[in-house]
Amino acid sequence: GQQVMQIPQYQHVQEGEDFTTYCNSSTTLSNIQWYKQRPGGHPVFLIQLVKSGEVKKQKRLTFQFGEAKKNSSLHITATQTTDVGTYFCAGNTGRRALTFGSGTRLQVQP
Amino acid sequence: EAGVAQSPRYKIIEKRQSVAFWCNPISGHATLYWYQQILGQGPKLLIQFQNNGVVDDSQLPKDRFSAERLKGVDSTLKIQPAKLEDSAVYLCASSSNSGNTEAFFGQGTRLTVV
Repeated sequence: GQQVMQIPQYQHVQEGEDFTTYCNSSTTLSNIQWYKQRPGGHPVFLIQLVKSGEVKKQKRLTFQFGEAKKNSSLHITATQTTDVGTYFCAGNTGRRALTFGSGTRLQVQP
Repeated sequence: EAGVAQSPRYKIIEKRQSVAFWCNPISGHATLYWYQQILGQGPKLLIQFQNNGVVDDSQLPKDRFSAERLKGVDSTLKIQPAKLEDSAVYLCASSSNSGNTEAFFGQGTRLTVV
C-alpha cells in the first residue's frame, strides 16, 4: 500500500533559525496536504499542493511539491516559539483518504 | 461554523471490555474518516465513509472494530473486545469531498486500555 515517510523525526532549533521537513511517497500523489498538530491538540490543515513543481507561501512558511509528485517539503524561515508542534504531510491518490506521514516534531528554544 | 464534535474526550477501560466513540461531522460534509493515532506516530486511517457507505475499511481490524454511519451524518466507532495495543487517540475527521479537499479534525478521544 501507499507509504509516506518524513524526515527528520525531530528537530530542535533556536528561535530565529530556519527549519525544513521533507516528505516522500512510495507512489505518485494526486495532491499533498500539510497539517500542524500542537502538543495535545488535533491536526489542523495548513495547505494543499496539487500541481507538479508547485510552490506556495504562507508568511514565513514555504511549501513545495516535487516535479514527480512524489515528494514535498515545508520550510519555515526564522522560527518562532508559536511554530512548536508536529508537522505532518498527507498524500492521497484519487478520492482515497489521506495517508499521513510519521511527522516531524519541531521544538523551538526561545 | 461548528467544528467536528467527538465524545467522550477521554476513556479508560480494562482489556477485553468494549468501548464506543461518537462523532458528529461538520454539517453538509459527505465524507467522514476515523483515524487512529498512536503516541508519536501519524494518524492511521481506520475507515472512510462517503455519506452512509463505506469507501475504505482495509485497515480496520474487523475482528474487534466496527463502525457505522447511519443516515450519513453521525458516526460511531466501537471496539470489542479492547486490547492493550488499542491505547491511542481516535480522531474523527470530515471533508466536503473525499481526498482532494482539506480534512477537519475533531479533538479526538484518548483511549487508555489497562
